[in-house]
Amino acid sequence: GAGVSQSPSNKVTEKGKDVELRCDPISGHTALYWYRQSLGQGLEFLIYFQGNSAPDKSGLPSDRFSAERTGGSVSTLTIQRTQQEDSAVYLCASSSTGTSTEAFFGQGTRLTVV
Amino acid sequence: AQSVTQLDSQVPVFEEAPVELRCNYSSSVSVYLFWYVQYPNQGLQLLLKYLSGSTLVKGINGFEAEFNKSQTSFHLRKPSVHISDTAEYFCAVSDPPDKLIFGTGTRLQVFP
Repeated sequence: GAGVSQSPSNKVTEKGKDVELRCDPISGHTALYWYRQSLGQGLEFLIYFQGNSAPDKSGLPSDRFSAERTGGSVSTLTIQRTQQEDSAVYLCASSSTGTSTEAFFGQGTRLTVV
Repeated sequence: AQSVTQLDSQVPVFEEAPVELRCNYSSSVSVYLFWYVQYPNQGLQLLLKYLSGSTLVKGINGFEAEFNKSQTSFHLRKPSVHISDTAEYFCAVSDPPDKLIFGTGTRLQVFP
């Protein structure tokens, strides 16, 4: 596609429910990143994929968070048993070089846990 | 560990005035530096980047930044701002090979 696509754009969920956030990177981009943007916390790195493998998961805040990438393309970020503190905008980015030198961001998914 | 400090959380300025948004980084290795802009309800858009070479980097929308290794700074400047420049600006440093470390952002508010 022309850019990084994220869906849904907005998600409201009840506390305790599981949610899945999807990211469609730019075609041909081998690297994919997830970030979280929340009030007072700025932009936090969550996870990085190179192809289908995730060499850096250091930013995932708890074991309720997981992510996968299939076919070297689409990625899904899953949050289990959501908590109110998970409310944030989740941003996905992709890069052709894998060194963050040309990372293109999607418009994000705004998650609200009520 | 690498880190980025944006010294001003908000910068108010009148239209057509010059502006400087400050960014300092800490790193013990060679760095790649970036400025991103985020307009309301949108993702991040790359303004400019420093990878190597000339320390004065020109970006989109008339912005430029200067890499100063001795002061570990990468301040963003524009000689004359427009209302449309109102947005959040993020400085970032690359932590190779895998991620960008962002500052907390500076909200630029341009008044008529």
